[in-house]
Amino acid sequence: GDSVTQMEGPVTLSEEAFLTINCTYTATGYPSLFWYVQYPGEGLQLLLKATKADDKGSNKGFEATYRKETTSFHLEKGSVQVSDSAVYFCARGSARQLTFGSGTQLTVLP
Amino acid sequence: GAGVSQSPRYKVAKRGQDVALRCDPISGHVSLFWYQQALGQGPEFLTYFQNEAQLDKSGLPSDRFFAERPEGSVSTLKIQRTQKEDSAVYLCASSRDSRGTDTQYFGPGTRLTVL
Repeated sequence: GDSVTQMEGPVTLSEEAFLTINCTYTATGYPSLFWYVQYPGEGLQLLLKATKADDKGSNKGFEATYRKETTSFHLEKGSVQVSDSAVYFCARGSARQLTFGSGTQLTVLP
Repeated sequence: GAGVSQSPRYKVAKRGQDVALRCDPISGHVSLFWYQQALGQGPEFLTYFQNEAQLDKSGLPSDRFFAERPEGSVSTLKIQRTQKEDSAVYLCASSRDSRGTDTQYFGPGTRLTVL
């Protein structure tokens, strides 16, 4: 079935470091791809999305590009902040459900 | 309200009790989803409604789980004869339409603990 494989954490970075969180997905059909973020004590929030191949989603300095050839949707940010500390989930979507990765815990130290 | 709301936020049940979890989606949203999130894991799909029709219930783990959305807005997830393995956070999400490109907006979840 459909699946998403996400880089395992936890990831600890210093402030202003470069972030990459890897995500690959099964290529069945033409899924939309999403990154959701869960801040401590809060619910899941959409961070960014891409709906077709070569699309780039971006928000709050985060970016991810829908790569069909490598079935990947890696999340990147050039300079992380302490406030980016959270759990990040990659997901692939069809009309009827989202399939999530297992999440990556990010801690950014000042 | 502005977002998806869920109640209760926390529920403790003794094994064998029945529980009912409520979801109020964003007003006017056609699609409603339930997910189960175990500790340290990503959410897993349970069921999907388009308006009042339950179009997919393939993720419900057993016949003890039942969901409804009778008027196409509020939804209730019911778990009968709860077991310890049912302990998890139950998330509700809604989206405006029924296309795969639509964003799903999540509620804060109900944390269920079965003793």
